[in-house]
Amino acid sequence: EPEVTQTPSHQVTQMGQEVILRCVPISNHLYFYWYRQILGQKVEFLVSFYNNEISEKSEIFDDQFSVERPDGSNFTLKIRSTKLEDSAMYFCASSAFRTVNTGELFFGEGSRLTVL
Amino acid sequence: QQQVKQSPQSLIVQKGGISIINCAYENTAFDYFPWYQQFPGKGPALLIAIRPDVSEKKEGRFTISFNKSAKQFSLHIMDSQPGDSATYFCAASSGATNKLIFGTGTLLAVQP
Repeated sequence: EPEVTQTPSHQVTQMGQEVILRCVPISNHLYFYWYRQILGQKVEFLVSFYNNEISEKSEIFDDQFSVERPDGSNFTLKIRSTKLEDSAMYFCASSAFRTVNTGELFFGEGSRLTVL
Repeated sequence: QQQVKQSPQSLIVQKGGISIINCAYENTAFDYFPWYQQFPGKGPALLIAIRPDVSEKKEGRFTISFNKSAKQFSLHIMDSQPGDSATYFCAASSGATNKLIFGTGTLLAVQP
């Protein structure tokens, strides 16, 4: 069964450092997402991406965050200067459809980011 | 108005019992209501979803009940099994967007 894969599974970084989280979406999917889940809290939307552009972003996704699809398979989330409050599980997701209400959103297993 | 409120926060059910998780929303533009199941160390996985043109949807032991006038929907797990122990998230979205708004999650423990 095709799946979304994420690396690293866990990253520990110092406050102020740059972090890049990587995702390989399902191969025929065109719509890509990042969500995050602070420990014990709900899953929150960060950004959606299609055709090499951001489609939608949340208030959380400020100038410290950026996304990129550097090649035909990877989708990355960069946090430029990490803060303590960026500590969370970051989930990549992909879909074959433009809107979530027309098709399933497939999530990866997540990358846990710990900022010290 | 973008929130989805979910209860209870945690739930313990005996094997064979019925698990019920409730969600409420305010945004009448929402037109898609999925439930996601998340096991420890894994990402959320779609369990079942409903649109507001029906009041109930059943897939195996899992049923969504939807009350459009009350703006509430619930997940019922019949004959709950220990393998159902997981965190369950309700969510909502509208056709104009491609993002899901998640509830706060319910940690379900089914005791053997």
